[in-house]
Amino acid sequence: KQEVTQIPAALSVPEGENLVLNCSFTDSAIYNLQWFRQDPGKGLTSLLLIQSSQREQTSGRLNASLDKSSGRSTLYIAASQPGDSATYLCAVINAGNNRKLIWGLGTSLGVNP
Amino acid sequence: DVKVTQSSRYLVKRTGEKVFLECVQDMDHENMFWYRQDPGLGLRLIYFSYDVKMKEKGDIPEGYSVSREKKERFSLILESASTNQTSMYLCASTRSNQPQHFGDGTRLSIL
Repeated sequence: KQEVTQIPAALSVPEGENLVLNCSFTDSAIYNLQWFRQDPGKGLTSLLLIQSSQREQTSGRLNASLDKSSGRSTLYIAASQPGDSATYLCAVINAGNNRKLIWGLGTSLGVNP
Repeated sequence: DVKVTQSSRYLVKRTGEKVFLECVQDMDHENMFWYRQDPGLGLRLIYFSYDVKMKEKGDIPEGYSVSREKKERFSLILESASTNQTSMYLCASTRSNQPQHFGDGTRLSIL
């Protein structure tokens, strides 16, 4: 059964720091991996989607990598800003079931001015 | 931009009531989802639908039902609300192999 783990559960950094959030999954047979952001009391916003055949995706200051064989993904945030403070969630879709996301519990990020 | 609209941001109901949560999307997505989100438990899938009048159970369907009579609308029904159904409910929609788009959520309290 696929399980998605995100470590650490919470992280606090000073403004301007580059940081890495980690996501691991137990079954490497995935269709894609997705990163989302959630602000307090709000819904989720999609950040990046990496297909199983891809190694990384970039959007602005965000870069997500995927290593299927080791069951890991990282979300790199460059030059962090207070507005980046949010919870970041990772989710995978298993190969053969391309609708249902399996979710991690998220990393709560605080960026201090 | 895709818009997913949930009918209420906050809702307070009483134990035993029948509760309807509505979700509408404007991008002709075939797939729609209902989740609940609780501290320490993360996002859990209740039901999803991949076409009009089609539905599949998610991980925690007990106590809930759904209706999808039109492509743009997906309703979640709490047949007889109980206090353990107090939660944040999130609706999402997507086209296959695209990211899910979420509504702002409904914070439901059952008293």
